[in-house]
Amino acid sequence: SQQGEEDPQALSIQEGENATMNCSYKTSINNLQWYRQNSGRGLVHLILIRSNEREKHSGRLRVTLDTSKKSSSLLITASRAADTASYFCATDIKAAGNKLTFGGGTRVLVKP
Amino acid sequence: DGGITQSPKYLFRKEGQNVTLSCEQNLNHDAMYWYRQDPGQGLRLIYYSQIVNDFQKGDIAEGYSVSREKKESFPLTVTSAQKNPTAFYLCASSFGGGPEKLFFGSGTQLSVL
Repeated sequence: SQQGEEDPQALSIQEGENATMNCSYKTSINNLQWYRQNSGRGLVHLILIRSNEREKHSGRLRVTLDTSKKSSSLLITASRAADTASYFCATDIKAAGNKLTFGGGTRVLVKP
Repeated sequence: DGGITQSPKYLFRKEGQNVTLSCEQNLNHDAMYWYRQDPGQGLRLIYYSQIVNDFQKGDIAEGYSVSREKKESFPLTVTSAQKNPTAFYLCASSFGGGPEKLFFGSGTQLSVL
């Protein structure tokens, strides 16, 4: 199975609601990153959280990291239709050299 | 505008044919990456390069080859040995040698005729 696994696989919410998705991983990391992908496009970097950090904010995004549970969460507050996309977590694994390992993603649909 | 350009957007491969996907960046980034994405799936790393004239295999390198003769360019060849090449291929780059804050191209969809 993959290093990073997102939960849920899919999420449907109304505009204005919050969206929360989780990422679990198996081995020690240097950092964990979240990316967004609109259908048929490349990925866009959203936020990076290092292993010694617990929480980071960027606009309507809030990311938490719990290294004891090997998990992270991404919260999108006050969602908009434009937030409809797939969201991926990616881990920079300490023992794996300079490469980023992606999870399977969470598909988010924000209904107007 | 600085960015990372992949071409072509769509590519078709015949049986037994090698095809090359182009990736060019003008961000002055040191590291470049190739990922494969199958429908509804995450990304899997094919090859990556941290400096010119050096590259490493990722998790699914079999049937693929790369070169890094210039800092700006990291082409990927899908060889005839790759028996299931149909996928969306994404190229990315990052500043410095580490995989932080990857910038992605818009992808190439490869299909088999």
